[in-house]
Amino acid sequence: EAGVVQSPRYKIIEKKQPVAFWCNPISGHNTLYWYRQNLGQGPELLIRYENEEAVDDSQLPKDRFSAERLKGVDSTLKIQPAELGDSAVYLCASSLQGHSYEQYFGPGTRLTVT
Amino acid sequence: GESVGLHLPTLSVQEGDNSIINCAYSNSASDYFIWYKQESGKGPQFIIDIRSNMDKRQGQRVTVLLNKTVKHLSLQIAATQPGDSAVYFCAEKVSGQNFVFGPGTRLSVLP
Repeated sequence: EAGVVQSPRYKIIEKKQPVAFWCNPISGHNTLYWYRQNLGQGPELLIRYENEEAVDDSQLPKDRFSAERLKGVDSTLKIQPAELGDSAVYLCASSLQGHSYEQYFGPGTRLTVT
Repeated sequence: GESVGLHLPTLSVQEGDNSIINCAYSNSASDYFIWYKQESGKGPQFIIDIRSNMDKRQGQRVTVLLNKTVKHLSLQIAATQPGDSAVYFCAEKVSGQNFVFGPGTRLSVLP
């Protein structure tokens, strides 16, 4: 079974530029999470989807961040414009609600803003 | 507010010894916890979980202990191997399907 797929794996951009990350969760998983992980820290939740609905986006900086999961499968996370402080690893995870709380993580996208 | 933290940011153990990684949590109402392992360049990987109605749960070479009185969680790894070198996170269920992760402990296994 394929795991959570994320692309790109690495991205370097200049500040004020836009950037987008893509995530394909495990087939059949209805819950999808986006996390940000700063260096030396644990993941911090940005947004959680149940199917195509964003059920928790309280930690998403909505002035510059946006996310979508139009068909309840793949998801994209966008930052526009990027700031130096956005440099981090952006992790996507998925889980099957009602089955277990275990989240399956992708390898992440390492973003560097210069 | 709710927070999950770790007592030690780094831990070095000799190969073959047992490892103990600690975690403190602040929300006494939390009822579920997970330990994750994160290797370099990879996302966190589930190791073991425990519900608050349990004090101990064992897996293959790993044991999680939960002390609700002092709000403390620990992960014990028996006969630590080089492949165990990674960062370990405890995660606390705070609501619904949402978890708060601790800052992590880096485990280094010495030959």
